Amino acid sequence: KAGVTQTPRYLIKTRGQQVTLSCSPISGHRSVSWYQQTPGQGLQFLFEYFSETQRNKGNFPGRFSGRQFSNSRSEMNVSTLELGDSALYLCASSFLAGGQETQYFGPGTRLLVL
Amino acid sequence: SQQGEEDPQALSIQEGENATMNCSYKTSINNLQWYRQNSGRGLVHLILIRSNEREKHSGRLRVTLDTSKKSSSLLITASRAADTASYFCASMDSNYQLIWGAGTKLIIKP
Repeated sequence: KAGVTQTPRYLIKTRGQQVTLSCSPISGHRSVSWYQQTPGQGLQFLFEYFSETQRNKGNFPGRFSGRQFSNSRSEMNVSTLELGDSALYLCASSFLAGGQETQYFGPGTRLLVL
Repeated sequence: SQQGEEDPQALSIQEGENATMNCSYKTSINNLQWYRQNSGRGLVHLILIRSNEREKHSGRLRVTLDTSKKSSSLLITASRAADTASYFCASMDSNYQLIWGAGTKLIIKP
């Protein structure tokens, strides 16, 4: 089985722009979670989608949004980028919702905002 | 803060020694999971222990869970250079949300 894939792997944007990141879960997995990882804040939960519905949301501003398609692929969008949005964005997939079982992580998208 | 806590923040030991990392959490949990992150290799699941379990083994890994103290520990025996990584615990709360610790950076010296 192919693992979780994320595109693009690296991205450079400037302040004020918007960005869309993509995540393809493991085949058959219905849950996709997104995380932001920075050296100072560690791993911060953004949101989780399960069967196209947002199940949980972390404490991030409304500039961060996401969606999930019928094939379980998920996208994350950040509008009006700020310097502090520079981070590694990780997605993880699992068959069951929430943290009920192993989360399989993608390699991440490293976003640099200038 | 949503985060659990891990200690130590960093640990440096000689190859062959055992490494112990601790994790504390705040609310009642359904399970607790440990993950490893090597630079450039992403987060990899190591072991999951459910709230009704007290100890679990996987190869050189041993995880314990003490729900009365809201804490867990990860023991890596006979450490190897390849064990150099950051280790994270994540506890699943009653809302089925994973709460992550800040991580322990483990360095194995040859």
